[in-house]
Amino acid sequence: KAGVTQTPRYLIKTRGQQVTLSCSPISGHRSVSWYQQTPGQGLQFLFEYFSETQRNKGNFPGRFSGRQFSNSRSEMNVSTLELGDSALYLCASQTSGREETQYFGPGTRLLVL
Amino acid sequence: GENVEQHPSTLSVQEGDSAVIKCTYSDSASNYFPWYKQELGKRPQLIIDIRSNVGEKKDQRIAVTLNKTAKHFSLHITETQPEDSAVYFCAAFARGTSYGKLTFGQGTILTVHP
Repeated sequence: KAGVTQTPRYLIKTRGQQVTLSCSPISGHRSVSWYQQTPGQGLQFLFEYFSETQRNKGNFPGRFSGRQFSNSRSEMNVSTLELGDSALYLCASQTSGREETQYFGPGTRLLVL
Repeated sequence: GENVEQHPSTLSVQEGDSAVIKCTYSDSASNYFPWYKQELGKRPQLIIDIRSNVGEKKDQRIAVTLNKTAKHFSLHITETQPEDSAVYFCAAFARGTSYGKLTFGQGTILTVHP
């Protein structure tokens, strides 16, 4: 099976702009989680989607949002970008019923200037 | 919510030595504990995991132990090799309530010197 894919792999944006990141889970996996990874804060949970519904959300401002499509692909959006949003954004795919076993995509590295 | 503490933050060993990384968690409802290895510029990769009904699990040179009473778990790597050099993350998950949320430790940078 193909692994988790994320696009784009790299992005450079300026403050105030918005960005949309995409994640395609492993075939058959219906649950997708998103994480932000920074040197200072480590890996922090953003949100989780299952069957197009957000089931869980981390402690991030409302500028961070997401959605999931009927084919389980997921997108996350960050509006009004701030310098502190520069990070590696990782999505993780998990099969339903075993949401704990997560397989990560390669990530999207976002740089905000 | 869950809080995971990981120690040490850096670990340097000679090739062939053993390495041990320790994590403690706060939420007694947590029942699944994975370990991830992340090489520079790459994705975190699941290397071993343990569920709360098991005290120890081994996979070749890697083992994980869990002490539910003390709320801590450890990663043991024996006969380390230079390719084991990476950042290792522990995590905790409460199945049935976490809904996709792994809570991670801060990571341990392991360096194996040839």
